[in-house]
Amino acid sequence: AQKVTQAQTEISVVEKEDVTLDCVYETRDTTYYLFWYKQPPSGELVFLIRRNSFDEQNEISGRYSWNFQKSTSSFNFTITASQVVDSAVYFCALSEFGSSNTGKLIFGQGTTLQVKP
Amino acid sequence: GAVVSQHPSRVICKSGTSVKIECRSLDFQATTMFWYRQFPKQSLMLMATSNEGSKATYEQGVEKDKFLINHASLTLSTLTVTSAHPEDSSFYICSAGQTSSGEQFFGPGTRLTVL
Repeated sequence: AQKVTQAQTEISVVEKEDVTLDCVYETRDTTYYLFWYKQPPSGELVFLIRRNSFDEQNEISGRYSWNFQKSTSSFNFTITASQVVDSAVYFCALSEFGSSNTGKLIFGQGTTLQVKP
Repeated sequence: GAVVSQHPSRVICKSGTSVKIECRSLDFQATTMFWYRQFPKQSLMLMATSNEGSKATYEQGVEKDKFLINHASLTLSTLTVTSAHPEDSSFYICSAGQTSSGEQFFGPGTRLTVL
């Protein structure tokens, strides 16, 4: 069965610190997608990244970077030089594309990031 | 990216009443829509997968007679919480999926409070 684990429930950092949010997943499929979403207090999910299982290249987008390691089934997310506006709940998610091909997302428990000024 | 809307954004109702939540894909056709529920300080849990023109597929533990889903067109899915009770108070989020691309686009969510 598929599962996503975000072991860090809450993280608190001071502005300008770097912070890494961990995500470990389980799946039997060879084809799948991994996602990161940000959920600010308003509740609306903000899409950050989607990565397919065949692309292990790390990605950088501004202050955000992602490290995908299939060998350890991890898809970690790093924010460099954190800012107060980064404070939110961050979710890692997995989508399988097996025979059902539904694309439904399995979410991790979420990590609450608090960035203090 | 594509836009998904939800209506209403917030609803308060009395126990025993039914509430309908609409999810619309505004600029693309969605053959599949998903309904998630999120309790305070918890993760999103998939409730059901809704396919246009067919019956929804419910996740284990979700009562299909209580959470009625209709996906009558490629741009609209509705979730009706029947005979709502305080324990149904939650944040309901829909998403519209493009199965070929694997992309999902989320609505802004509906906060339901049952008194």
